[in-house]
Amino acid sequence: EAGVAQSPRYKIIEKRQSVAFWCNPISGHATLYWYQQILGQGPKLLIQFQNNGVVDDSQLPKDRFSAERLKGVDSTLKIQPAKLEDSAVYLCASGRWGVDTQYFGPGTRLTVL
Amino acid sequence: AQSVSQHNHHVILSEAASLELGCNYSYGGTVNLFWYVQYPGQHLQLLLKYFSGDPLVKGIKGFEAEFIKSKFSFNLRKPSVQWSDTAEYFCAVIVNTNAGKSTFGDGTTLTVKP
Repeated sequence: EAGVAQSPRYKIIEKRQSVAFWCNPISGHATLYWYQQILGQGPKLLIQFQNNGVVDDSQLPKDRFSAERLKGVDSTLKIQPAKLEDSAVYLCASGRWGVDTQYFGPGTRLTVL
Repeated sequence: AQSVSQHNHHVILSEAASLELGCNYSYGGTVNLFWYVQYPGQHLQLLLKYFSGDPLVKGIKGFEAEFIKSKFSFNLRKPSVQWSDTAEYFCAVIVNTNAGKSTFGDGTTLTVKP
């Protein structure tokens, strides 16, 4: 089966600019996750979708980050405006259901200058 | 809120040495436990998982982990490491509710010297 796809793979922007990341999960997976991984740390959950509903977004900085999952399939994560501390790898993962194995995409490495 | 602690940030071993990586979590209820691995240049992928039953679980490439409920631990082991095991290892916990909330540890970088 095809894996989780993410684009772009790399992005460099200046602070206060906006950026968007795209994720296409594995077909049939109901759960979709967005993580932020800062260098030297583990993935931190930003938002979790079950189909097209939000299950958990308690760690999403809602003043600047937003995410949506279109028709329960693809998802986009947006940052507006970006700050220096947003420099990180943004990982998308999907799973058949919320408590099982997560399948990760390659991630998007964001550098904010 | 649950948390996951991995005690070793960087471990360096010679080939054929035995490996044990510690993982402790804090959560009073039922959890599902995972070890993920990220080889250089590759995606995070599942190494093994525990949901219920036998607390000793076996994964890919000769890895195993033991769930000790009384210690809130899920340590990863391998009797004899190989150079190809060089990677970053992450312990993760999902709270076993309808949707589950996922929490990862900060990872352990394992370097195996040939």
